Amino acid sequence: GENVEQHPSTLSVQEGDSAVIKCTYSDSASNYFPWYKQELGKRPQLIIDIRSNVGEKKDQRIAVTLNKTAKHFSLHITETQPEDSAVYFCAASRRNAGGTSYGKLTFGQGTILTVHP
Amino acid sequence: KAGVTQTPRYLIKTRGQQVTLSCSPISGHRSVSWYQQTPGQGLQFLFEYFSETQRNKGNFPGRFSGRQFSNSRSEMNVSTLELGDSALYLCASSRQGGDTQYFGPGTRLTVL
Repeated sequence: GENVEQHPSTLSVQEGDSAVIKCTYSDSASNYFPWYKQELGKRPQLIIDIRSNVGEKKDQRIAVTLNKTAKHFSLHITETQPEDSAVYFCAASRRNAGGTSYGKLTFGQGTILTVHP
Repeated sequence: KAGVTQTPRYLIKTRGQQVTLSCSPISGHRSVSWYQQTPGQGLQFLFEYFSETQRNKGNFPGRFSGRQFSNSRSEMNVSTLELGDSALYLCASSRQGGDTQYFGPGTRLTVL
């Protein structure tokens, strides 16, 4: 089955710096890669996602890049703010050949991001 | 639209008991996936239901089961609880089963 590795496990940055979190996946058939942010005691919330037919996607201070050949994707947060402090999870899933997407996300282990004021 | 809701939010059970958790998806969403979240294992996929059928199952023992009703609401059941079942159980809904999944607040299960 799919395996997703996420690094680093903890990341500490100063406010205004950039943060980068990297994930690798094992199943070459995976074609959907979401990123979730989970604040303490709260539910995971989708912050950005990318599909395998796109190499990069950006939404304000957040961007995700995908390298299908190397089977890795990364989350980039620029101009970090204290409210960005949370646990970030990457995930991967695949759409079956028949076009049906099964609702199984395989998650990385998470990255605890701390942004110091 | 209202978000995904889960009940109860907290549960305390003892070993050997069974428990049922409920998940109400976003209106119009037909797929419900369940995940177990623990500090050691992270977020792990339990199973997914779509149109009242289990479409996908993770690597959990048969003590973990679920079902989905015609209104897309889903329940999961854990029988013969073990200490290691203590976790946050999250459900997520999506329109057709893949793509964007929206999570509920979770049910915190503690097994004593």
